[in-house]
Amino acid sequence: GNSVTQMEGPVTLSEEAFLTINCTYTATGYPSLFWYVQYPGEGLQLLLKATKADDKGSNKGFEATYRKETTSFHLEKGSVQVSDSAVYFCALGPTIGSQGNLIFGKGTKLSVKP
Amino acid sequence: DAGITQSPRYKITETGRQVTLMCHQTWSHSYMFWYRQDLGHGLRLIYYSAAADITDKGEVPDGYVVSRSKTENFPLTLESATRSQTSVYFCASSEPAPLPYEQYFGPGTRLTVT
Repeated sequence: GNSVTQMEGPVTLSEEAFLTINCTYTATGYPSLFWYVQYPGEGLQLLLKATKADDKGSNKGFEATYRKETTSFHLEKGSVQVSDSAVYFCALGPTIGSQGNLIFGKGTKLSVKP
Repeated sequence: DAGITQSPRYKITETGRQVTLMCHQTWSHSYMFWYRQDLGHGLRLIYYSAAADITDKGEVPDGYVVSRSKTENFPLTLESATRSQTSVYFCASSEPAPLPYEQYFGPGTRLTVT
């Protein structure tokens, strides 16, 4: 069945450091891919998404590229801030245009120190 | 308030008691979901609903009951609470395909079963 694997945390970085959180998936067809972020004490919110191969999702300085050849959707940011401290979830969704449920990775906690 | 709300935000109950968690959304989204979030497991789908009076099981439905008599409400009931149901519960909603598939999450309910 479909599944998502993301790197274990926690990840601790200094402010302005480069961030990569790895995410790989197993799925048939052409799923859509998402990164959600959960700030302390809040629900999840969509950070970025990509719906087809080679799409790049971007938001708030974060980027992720849908790589079908490596079945990956790694999250990157060039210079993290303290305010980026949160838990990040990679998620796999249905092929665009069809209905289905999201499958979430286990989450990666990021702490950014000043 | 527009959006998706959950109540209560915090709940402590005793083993064996029935407890209902409420979820309300103002967007008239067709789909609604209940997840539980536990350390080491990420988010796991409990139940979902495609429309009023249509519900279906997710990954971990045992011990839970849902109903959806109105589009905007999707209550989750623990019929006889157990300690293993101590968790943070999130409700979410979304539009159906073919729109981009994004789920909108509520702020969560932290449930402790003693």
